[in-house]
Order: sequence, then structure tokens, then C-alpha cells
Amino acid sequence: DSGVTQTPKHLITATGQRVTLRCSPRSGDLSVYWYQQSLDQGLQFLIQYYNGEERAKGNILERFSAQQFPDLHSELNLSSLELGDSALYFCASSFGPGGRFYNSPLHFGNGTRLTVT
Amino acid sequence: KNEVEQSPQNLTAQEGEFITINCSYSVGISALHWLQQHPGGGIVSLFMLSSGKKKHGRLIATINIQEKHSSLHITASHPRDSAVYICAAFFGGTGNQFYFGTGTSLTVIP
Repeated sequence: DSGVTQTPKHLITATGQRVTLRCSPRSGDLSVYWYQQSLDQGLQFLIQYYNGEERAKGNILERFSAQQFPDLHSELNLSSLELGDSALYFCASSFGPGGRFYNSPLHFGNGTRLTVT
Repeated sequence: KNEVEQSPQNLTAQEGEFITINCSYSVGISALHWLQQHPGGGIVSLFMLSSGKKKHGRLIATINIQEKHSSLHITASHPRDSAVYICAAFFGGTGNQFYFGTGTSLTVIP
């Protein structure tokens, strides 16, 4: 058990809708990373938060947004959903902020499987 | 061009065989992660490396910073090692970025 909790496990919704994915990091971890895994693109980094602030952005679409709350849980909001957004969405947490010198191991949640119909 | 190249894409081995999976990256990195993804979809982080070598049980990971190359070795492979193994290069600096290899699908036959 990684200690990272993601909810919901599965989500089925229609095109054009908006959904919110939730992630609770492992106790003591301050960074939360969001990743998308689709069949055609593989794993992609979306965004990172560290201690409540956005730290880094990857290939995150403008229709997607995220935030990290004072209790360090994070939410990923996906809006105007398209069929191509169907994927597994993972969050991972780590203690440090990353960067060149502050790397620490990643702990992954079990993912949320999003199906857009 | 992919910043991270991983090989082989698919690997089938007999139980007990020594297995090597390779990962090459194109620019300087802060750390390299080896991940394991089981058929159910869950991801486990196996190693985080910035230099040298790490060992955990039957798994060994090495990295050569000058050659921009990392390897994951599995000694005495077992059917429960069957999974997809993914390397992830972490570029720290002005902005953190992860780049992922396409994964190696390993099947170990009893």
C-alpha cells in the first residue's frame, strides 16, 4: 500500500461534461503529481503541486486544471470532456519539491479510470 | 524525437533467466525512476536513481550519467515479475518535467 488514495476508481461520463478527480497524498508528502496514461500516448506528466503551490506544468490541456488544498489533497478538474480524454489518471506524491537537488521517491495511487462516451 | 528511449518493447523469458531492460535519455537529468505496472493497472515505483547502482531483492538498477543510460536487471526471474516496466526521466531545474519511456512488457513463463 503506497498510502496514496485516489477517488473515484472508475468514472464514466459523456462528452462535454466536467469531472473532478481527487488525490490524497501519502502522510508527510508535500508534492502531488498528476499523470495521464492513454493507450496511444503512454504516460504523460500533467502538473505538479508542492505545498499548495503549482510547481511545474507538463502536457496539461487548457480544459484541465488542478489545485492543492491546505490539507495537501489535490483535485484534477477535467472539463468539456472529449472522447480522447478517456484514460487512466494517476497521482503520485513525494516528500520533496523535486528540482535539481531535492528529489525523493514517488508513491503512486491506484489511478482513476475515466471513460468518456 | 523522444527524450527517453526504452528497449526492448516486449520481452519473454523463461523462469530463472536474467533479464535486462535498457533506458536511454537525451539530456541531463536530475533523477531517473523505474516503475512497474501490473496488468491491473497500478504503478509501483521500484527505484529512483541519480548515480551509481541500487539493489532491492532480485532487482538491480544502474545508471551511467556520462552515457545517459540506465538499466534495470532482474535476477532469477519469476512469473510474478510479469509486468510492464517503465523508465521515467526527471528533469529538474527551472521547471520540473517528467518524460516517460514507452515501457517494456515482460512475460516470464514458468
